[in-house]
Amino acid sequence: AQTVTQSQPEMSVQEAETVTLSCTYDTSESDYYLFWYKQPPSRQMILVIRQEAYKQQNATENRFSVNFQKAAKSFSLKISDSQLGDAAMYFCAYNILFTSGTYKYIFGTGTRLKVLA
Amino acid sequence: DVKVTQSSRYLVKRTGEKVFLECVQDMDHENMFWYRQDPGLGLRLIYFSYDVKMKEKGDIPEGYSVSREKKERFSLILESASTNQTSMYLCASSFYGPGYGYTFGSGTRLTVV
Repeated sequence: AQTVTQSQPEMSVQEAETVTLSCTYDTSESDYYLFWYKQPPSRQMILVIRQEAYKQQNATENRFSVNFQKAAKSFSLKISDSQLGDAAMYFCAYNILFTSGTYKYIFGTGTRLKVLA
Repeated sequence: DVKVTQSSRYLVKRTGEKVFLECVQDMDHENMFWYRQDPGLGLRLIYFSYDVKMKEKGDIPEGYSVSREKKERFSLILESASTNQTSMYLCASSFYGPGYGYTFGSGTRLTVV
């Protein structure tokens, strides 16, 4: 089965501290992309970071970085120097080849991150 | 500023009504998607379209249909709304290809009473 598991429904972090959100997935594909999306209270989902599975180097975007372990099928998100604006629901996802040559995403159930002042 | 626009932010409909949810994107994306989001279940794909007049069923298409007559517009139709279709509906679009992220709309929270 193609699944994405986010085992932490909710997490809290102190402002300026570092937090790691976990994600594991299950796929038999050898090449795919992994993503983290952020959904703030405004509900607009925003792409935070992406990782190509064939690239060993972990992706980074400013304060956001990933720890990608392909063999373990693990894709965690690290947020450094947490800010109040980071408070949101975070979704992990990967995409797979669907029908008609189109790719579709498989999403996890999300982790709600609270940032404490 | 590029965007995906969903016509309604909140919608309340009665059981049995035919409901139309509209989504428009201005990025010339080939792909468009409809998801529903429920607590504890994440996002589940209802339908998607990879070209005008082309559509594919997602994971939970029952009770829904879609229409894509123009590239920029993708409509989700609830043929006969039921209370179990009360949910948040998210529209997204992307370029064709595996590495492109989605651009999402702000969602429509539909309540069926």
